Amino acid sequence: GQNIDQPTEMTATEGAIVQINCTYQTSGFNGLFWYQQHAGEAPTFLSYNVLDGLEEKGRFSSFLSRSKGYSYLLLKELQMKDSASYLCAVRDGNQAGTALIFGKGTTLSVSS
Amino acid sequence: NAGVTQTPKFRILKIGQSMTLQCTQDMNHNYMYWYRQDPGMGLKLIYYSVGAGITDKGEVPNGYNVSRSTTEDFPLRLELAAPSQTSVYFCASSYSTLGTYEQYFGPGTRLTVT
Repeated sequence: GQNIDQPTEMTATEGAIVQINCTYQTSGFNGLFWYQQHAGEAPTFLSYNVLDGLEEKGRFSSFLSRSKGYSYLLLKELQMKDSASYLCAVRDGNQAGTALIFGKGTTLSVSS
Repeated sequence: NAGVTQTPKFRILKIGQSMTLQCTQDMNHNYMYWYRQDPGMGLKLIYYSVGAGITDKGEVPNGYNVSRSTTEDFPLRLELAAPSQTSVYFCASSYSTLGTYEQYFGPGTRLTVT
């Protein structure tokens, strides 16, 4: 079956580094996305990985290991505005339309 | 570009009523999607479309219908609303299902069925 697991909640302090893990089991794989979703708002795109390794984009980095079915999102120099839910999503290439399969999201709370 | 727009933002329905959630995108994307998001749950795909005139079911299609008469519009129809359809509904679109092309999401419609 299709399954994507992430921790439900995480807390951190301003200026710190936090790593949000995601493990997945899907019938196909055609890329992994991370989205950020502030409370009451729409998800917005953060990063995309399709090959193994690290993708860096400013304060945010995302890592993928396809053999382990594992990804993480690394947030550096945390700011209060980073308090949000972070959604891991896999694009299952076996499905027509290739929609995203989402995890339940990790709610990150950043305190001062 | 306005991106993906959805109307209404909020709606309260009585059990058994019907309504249409509107979704429009101005990015000329072929692919459009409807998701629902329940508290503490991930987004679940309801229906999707790969182009005008072509739609197909996602993971949770029961109780919903869609149409895609134009590239821009992808309305979601709820017939005979039930309390289980209380949720936040997001419409999304993407240029491609390959490569780095992400899905762009609308602001959502918060629906309560009582």
